[in-house]
Amino acid sequence: GAVVSQHPSRVICKSGTSVKIECRSLDFQATTMFWYRQFPKQSLMLMATSNEGSKATYEQGVEKDKFLINHASLTLSTLTVTSAHPEDSSFYICSASEGEGYEQYFGPGTRLTVT
Amino acid sequence: GEDVEQSLFLSVREGDSSVINCTYTDSSSTYLYWYKQEPGAGLQLLTYIFSNMDMKQDQRLTVLLNKKDKHLSLRIADTQTGDSAIYFCAETGGTSYGKLTFGQGTILTVHP
Repeated sequence: GAVVSQHPSRVICKSGTSVKIECRSLDFQATTMFWYRQFPKQSLMLMATSNEGSKATYEQGVEKDKFLINHASLTLSTLTVTSAHPEDSSFYICSASEGEGYEQYFGPGTRLTVT
Repeated sequence: GEDVEQSLFLSVREGDSSVINCTYTDSSSTYLYWYKQEPGAGLQLLTYIFSNMDMKQDQRLTVLLNKKDKHLSLRIADTQTGDSAIYFCAETGGTSYGKLTFGQGTILTVHP
């Protein structure tokens, strides 16, 4: 149980375009979903927290107009990177939790490369 | 803000025990976690411990928590080559419940 999927696993896009990454909880209802960014050989940096049906809470320094998060249902959250720039190239990982949220389950990650 | 620190590298021989250490600063931490990340993959939750516990054992994994010193450790018994990965400790609690703060990760290398 507690499986989280992400799609796509890898994506290459051109500068200036937008790309959407999906995060799904497959066998549980995710009250809260989190989006992280991980640079090579570094730890995870929390970008934002989203609860179903409400606006995401962004961490300091994360541009909400650039990284659009939509938590449309209890099993789906999307992250859209708008006007992508090579600096946005990174590994994006989502996680999901249900109930009180003390167990977070992570997706396999999405490797974004912006050319 | 909260801070979580880990040593960056650990190298052990197959069959030996591995001990990965972590320190944290947030005295209001409620849950502390160990995650495993293999190359190019997401994070796998290995185990977690509630802050009112001192120890938790789960098969080859033993977690020790010293709340006074804010020190967490993960012991892997009979380490195998498949255990080679990056191990992250993380904490949550206090005013930022549900939000995980991660350490930098410890790269565990297991030699045959």
